[in-house]
Amino acid sequence: GAVVSQHPSRVICKSGTSVKIECRSLDFQATTMFWYRQFPKQSLMLMATSNEGSKATYEQGVEKDKFLINHASLTLSTLTVTSAHPEDSSFYICSASLQGAITEAFFGQGTRLTVV
Amino acid sequence: AQSVTQPDIHITVSEGASLELRCNYSYGATPYLFWYVQSPGQGLQLLLKYFSGDTLVQGIKGFEAEFKRSQSSFNLRKPSVHWSDAAEYFCAVRLNSGTYKYIFGTGTRLKVLA
Repeated sequence: GAVVSQHPSRVICKSGTSVKIECRSLDFQATTMFWYRQFPKQSLMLMATSNEGSKATYEQGVEKDKFLINHASLTLSTLTVTSAHPEDSSFYICSASLQGAITEAFFGQGTRLTVV
Repeated sequence: AQSVTQPDIHITVSEGASLELRCNYSYGATPYLFWYVQSPGQGLQLLLKYFSGDTLVQGIKGFEAEFKRSQSSFNLRKPSVHWSDAAEYFCAVRLNSGTYKYIFGTGTRLKVLA
């Protein structure tokens, strides 16, 4: 199956700094990428949907200026958590798919962000 | 509104016993349905999917699921559970228009007793 690589797998940053998470589709061109946040022992909450070359669509309640998403190419999307605070600590997962295609989205392995 | 319900938050079974995890969905159109498994600190692994055709779908690791349109259900089953099956299981529905986003259930945590 198709592979989605997410980097880094773990990151610790200081409060007030920004951290960037990368999501790459390794062997296919991803028209659409999704970013999720998962709190401990909870389900995945969709944060935003990004389409290559256009602005991301954020879910209600997600701060656009806090979570910057860029999808500049068909194989790379990035999520930048700006001015991170301890409450931003979470598990972030990306997925990638060919929009409209009858295939499943492929998920990255996730990034554990800890803000200290 | 679209939604996915997994009624069981926790399930405990003995190794070798059969397993059924329940999933109900609410979606106006024909659903694309998925089951994923997640081990602690890991991403999601696809177990199986239903797009169309045969309503009984086979997946990896001996899992199967049956789509029942009349009951809006997509329950996951395994005839004999192994200790390595202990994990979190998520049912999801994919929208078939717009952003084609996924909606996940709240998950079922499976514990396997030796």
